[in-house]
Amino acid sequence: EAQVTQNPRYLITVTGKKLTVTCSQNMNHEYMSWYRQDPGLGLRQIYYSMNVEVTDKGDVPEGYKVSRKEKRNFPLILESPSPNQTSLYFCASSQIGLEGSQFFGPGTRLTVL
Amino acid sequence: RKEVEQDPGPFNVPEGATVAFNCTYSNSASQSFFWYRQDCRKEPKLLMSVYSSGNEDGRFTAQLNRASQYISLLIRDSKLSDSATYLCVVHGKTGANNLFFGTGTRLTVIP
Repeated sequence: EAQVTQNPRYLITVTGKKLTVTCSQNMNHEYMSWYRQDPGLGLRQIYYSMNVEVTDKGDVPEGYKVSRKEKRNFPLILESPSPNQTSLYFCASSQIGLEGSQFFGPGTRLTVL
Repeated sequence: RKEVEQDPGPFNVPEGATVAFNCTYSNSASQSFFWYRQDCRKEPKLLMSVYSSGNEDGRFTAQLNRASQYISLLIRDSKLSDSATYLCVVHGKTGANNLFFGTGTRLTVIP
């Protein structure tokens, strides 16, 4: 089954404790992206990647890191989480040239205390 | 100014009604346009792309007006299962690959 998976689905952590949210897709997509969704602000792009070892900033990259060492994986790293990073996070992937037609993962609900 | 703006609603309509959502975008160089559907606490899913000539998929019709920089989605014969939030999405500036999402319009179809 074609899918995007994220782990964990739910996470409660404390300020400053480094965490990683994993994202994996099995569709051989070149393009992968991370978003956060907040009430009243909608989905905002954090980082995206056009291919292995190629990443670029989205709309709200501050406080986040990403890596793309393999085509299927695109982890999101919060080196020192803060309460304003409490949000619902989505990973997505697509073929190059079809970035508007993205497949989304199920989401990760993060709470930073 | 936001890249993409939508009326948040909510729109509460009876079954069988026709409902229309509009969305405006700020960058005239935007490349492509889409409508996504998001059910409560779920991930967004692509509903349809929006083409300059307008396009239809069953009960759903999408239109693009580049001159006025707005996109519309028309749903005919609303079903209970159409209840969701509809997101307008714009593929960003020339030379970049950012996607910009509207905040969504919430639709509830009432029996």
